[in-house]
Amino acid sequence: DTAVSQTPKYLVTQMGNDKSIKCEQNLGHDTMYWYKQDSKKFLKIMFSYNNKELIINETVPNRFSPKSPDKAHLNLHINSLELGDSAVYFCASSQEIKVDTQYFGPGTRLTVL
Amino acid sequence: RKEVEQDPGPFNVPEGATVAFNCTYSNSASQSFFWYRQDCRKEPKLLMSVYSSGNEDGRFTAQLNRASQYISLLIRDSKLSDSATYLCVVSLNNRKLIWGLGTSLAVNP
Repeated sequence: DTAVSQTPKYLVTQMGNDKSIKCEQNLGHDTMYWYKQDSKKFLKIMFSYNNKELIINETVPNRFSPKSPDKAHLNLHINSLELGDSAVYFCASSQEIKVDTQYFGPGTRLTVL
Repeated sequence: RKEVEQDPGPFNVPEGATVAFNCTYSNSASQSFFWYRQDCRKEPKLLMSVYSSGNEDGRFTAQLNRASQYISLLIRDSKLSDSATYLCVVSLNNRKLIWGLGTSLAVNP
């Protein structure tokens, strides 16, 4: 029943490790997003994919690599994790590229020790 | 200057009160405007879009002033369940959302 799901919900890891977060939506949307919400609660777009094609790539370190195997999935791989990567990462989806219909996943709380 | 600015609050109001949140945006070419709500440790959810003529949804009224680059949200007859963070969101080209930091509201019994 979950429209946008993310796994894992919590992720605690050491600096220098590589980790992945997965996102899936069953809404039939063709645009998906990754957002980062830091400790100050500031929500910032990282990436956006439309029909598996990258359309937004903000100024994000290249340690972050999104992958969209199909339009229902958008995964985020992070290499060489740093302390500053600790945040909540939200996946979202929308129909086409209409920003007003974005639906968010429950978030993945990443803690880097 | 931040692209979208909001008073972070917190706003503490009693049940039944009317409360208003304000938001300003820096880019006059912005096209779309929204209010999202985020509960503690949850994901943001769309509360309402904001139209030039102003719009109302039950106890919630949103207004847009393009000349002053200002958006507002009015909540009437506050309920305990309205306690949340209210995020002002602006889109320049309908492809990317620019988020404010949010205004925290606590409705007290």
